[in-house]
Amino acid sequence: DAGVTQSPTHLIKTRGQHVTLRCSPISGHKSVSWYQQVLGQGPQFIFQYYEKEERGRGNFPDRFSARQFPNYSSELNVNALLLGDSALYLCASRTTVGNTEAFFGQGTRLTVV
Amino acid sequence: GENVEQHPSTLSVQEGDSAVIKCTYSDSASNYFPWYKQELGKRPQLIIDIRSNVGEKKDQRIAVTLNKTAKHFSLHITETQPEDSAVYFCAASKGGGSNYKLTFGKGTLLTVNP
Repeated sequence: DAGVTQSPTHLIKTRGQHVTLRCSPISGHKSVSWYQQVLGQGPQFIFQYYEKEERGRGNFPDRFSARQFPNYSSELNVNALLLGDSALYLCASRTTVGNTEAFFGQGTRLTVV
Repeated sequence: GENVEQHPSTLSVQEGDSAVIKCTYSDSASNYFPWYKQELGKRPQLIIDIRSNVGEKKDQRIAVTLNKTAKHFSLHITETQPEDSAVYFCAASKGGGSNYKLTFGKGTLLTVNP
């Protein structure tokens, strides 16, 4: 079985640019969450989507947005990139919206220069 | 919102010794507490989790204990092996509506010396 897949694995962007990160959940999983992990810290919650609807949003500026598609894959978009947006962006999928095991993808390492 | 504190930030043990990592949480409504292991450059992987209706859970060399009154939970690894070396994260989550986000601690770098 394929796990959670994310693309791209690495990305370098310039300040002010826009970036789109992609996530495909495990087959049958309808819930996708996004987390930002800065080096040396634990992951921080950005968004949760379930059945294509936003179900939760963390303390991130409006420059961050996301969506979930009918096949349950998801995109995270970040506009007007700042140096501080450099981080590992993790996607996690769950079978439902509830408190079940969250399976993480390998992440996208974003570097903003 | 929820705040999770994790200690220690680094832990070094000899192979075969036990390792204990402790976390405290602030929101008494939290009811799900997973532990993740993250090896360098790899994805976080769930190693054990516990729900608030249980005080202790074991899986081979790994155990987790939960004290709801004190709002803390701990990870215990016995008979440590070099392959246990990694960063370990605790997390807390509460149910209801959209509140299923995981709030993570800052992590513990565990080094098991052969």
